Formats: sequence, structure tokens, C-alpha cells
Amino acid sequence: DIQMTQSPSSLSAFVGDRVTIACQTSQDIKKNLNWYQQKPGKAPKVLIYEASNLETGVPSRFSGSGSGTDFTLTISGLQPEDFATYYCQQFDDLPITFGQGTRLNLK
Amino acid sequence: QVQLVQSEAEVKKPGASVKVSCKASGYTFTDHYLYWVRQAPGQGLQWMGWINVQNGDTRYAEKFQGRVAMTRDTSVTTGYLEMSGLRADDTAVYFCARALWKSGSYYFDNWGQGTLVTVSS
Repeated sequence: DIQMTQSPSSLSAFVGDRVTIACQTSQDIKKNLNWYQQKPGKAPKVLIYEASNLETGVPSRFSGSGSGTDFTLTISGLQPEDFATYYCQQFDDLPITFGQGTRLNLK
Repeated sequence: QVQLVQSEAEVKKPGASVKVSCKASGYTFTDHYLYWVRQAPGQGLQWMGWINVQNGDTRYAEKFQGRVAMTRDTSVTTGYLEMSGLRADDTAVYFCARALWKSGSYYFDNWGQGTLVTVSS
């Protein structure tokens, strides 16, 4: 199975900050990685697909980059609604695997 | 608009079975695979498997082989997840999700609201 390691596990930030979440995979997955946001009691919502493509309707303050084994999700200019948990997910090979999540807290 | 509406929460005893439904609307049901993902309380996301809604083919994560069955009824545009031999550590929210293929990649673009399954004696 492809192992996914997200860092940090949690971070605190202010509204308006720029934050970066990292996701490292145990093997080369090319660009076969998606990013999701999940709020408490809700289903995940896709933000970025194929490493760097912004899903329709997602604000442009979200961006993704990377390929191979190292990926990042960046949020530029945090808004109050962005405080949530973020997951990376690979679809290069089965089983599909997710990172353990990064909880973004309001400082 | 695309909607996936899941069945209500269930409470089951250890060893029992549960069947969760996922009613799809707003799109051609047979055009998209359905995936199932679960989330234990306070934990991350775990992929369980998928069903090719068009022909019924399935693929399950090794962890769930022999204990899960994913089916669909195209006449009512509904997918089902059935799980047997329930244990306390199967307590989780179970999500269905639609897979969207785009430019050679795929992702889960629509999700059900989740169904909490609690396993307790």
C-alpha cells in the first residue's frame, strides 16, 4: 500500500495568514493526488485534483503543487470558513489511501 | 444538482450485519462509479471499495474482503453497502462518493451525508 504522511498534524493560524500543508507519499505517484477539506459533521469536499487543478467553485486562494512523492496545499489569505481538517488522497494505485489529516485551527 | 442521500443511522450488536443505502439523483447513475469510504470517530478516512454501477463489478480493499458487499439497483438509482460480522471497531460514519473522471485522473466530487453505524452490545 502507498503510505501517505501529512505534516503538520495540526497548525494554528490567523485570518489572513498564508499556510502550507505538506503530503509525502511512500512511492512515486506522479501527479495522482487530490486534496479535500472536511468540516465537523460533514462529508469531505474536493479542493484540488491531480495535484494542482482547482475544482470548479473553489476559491482561488487554494492552490496545490508537487509531483512524484512530495506535494503541498497552500491557502493564501485564510478566511474564517477555512478552519477545518485537510486530507490528501492518492489514486495512483489501489488501495486508495488518505493522509492522516491536518487540522487547521484559528489562533 | 447532483445529490447522494444516505440512509439513517444504525445501531447493531456485534456479529450482526448492516446495509447502508445511497440514493443518487441529478445525474445519469450508470455513468459514474460509486465508492465507499468510512471514518471512525475522531479518525481519518479509509477507502473500502468501489462498484462499477454500469455492470456491477466490484473491488474491495483487502481489509474488508469477505465481509462487505457493494451492490446497486439501477431501477431506483441506489447503491448499497452491506457489511457482516460487525465488531466494535466497525463503529464509524460510512460515506458513499461519486467518482468523476477528468483528463485521466479521478476524484470524489460528490459525497453522501454519511451514515453513522454504531456497533455495541
